[in-house]
Amino acid sequence: DAKTTQPPSMDCAEGRAANLPCNHSTISGNEYVYWYRQIHSQGPQYIIHGLKNNETNEMASLIITEDRKSSTLILPHATLRDTAVYYCIVRVALSGSARQLTFGSGTQLTVLP
Amino acid sequence: DVKVTQSSRYLVKRTGEKVFLECVQDMDHENMFWYRQDPGLGLRLIYFSYDVKMKEKGDIPEGYSVSREKKERFSLILESASTNQTSMYLCASSFSHTQYFGPGTRLTVL
Repeated sequence: DAKTTQPPSMDCAEGRAANLPCNHSTISGNEYVYWYRQIHSQGPQYIIHGLKNNETNEMASLIITEDRKSSTLILPHATLRDTAVYYCIVRVALSGSARQLTFGSGTQLTVLP
Repeated sequence: DVKVTQSSRYLVKRTGEKVFLECVQDMDHENMFWYRQDPGLGLRLIYFSYDVKMKEKGDIPEGYSVSREKKERFSLILESASTNQTSMYLCASSFSHTQYFGPGTRLTVL
């Protein structure tokens, strides 16, 4: 498994962009980067994933460096409801089409009013 | 929207009891997972299933078993609950790249 490293906590002002970094220097060529978040007392929620190219969806943007050793999740206009623990994950293959997700300690993002 | 439901949000059991945690998904996903989440340890995979009646051990299967008799339902069984199994249990189902999680069951074993 490729190990990921994230800062333990970050603050962001409401309405501003939140940029959450992740290092994954040992990622292999066919491993995807996934981002999930977990709001207190709820199950994790999928945000976005990518392989090489930058990705955007209705929730966020994912910027992956050219060497793939790091990535940044961007929440363009953070709201108080975005306060959560954000996990950067590199996928490990299991049997069939199953894919194990190894969750580390993540980054606690606090959006401040 | 994909929905993954778990039978209970909170459960309190006594040491030695047999405990059943149920998970149901409504999107015809082949893959289902059971994780437990503990402070400082993140999510750890207990078991997963990639088809009906098919199951494989995850990282921490000891003390647990699973059952998948129907595609939509994946059960986690604690044969004889112990205090070190007090935890948050999360079920997930997946299609392609995305895992969808249920709300979790917080189990306390006294």
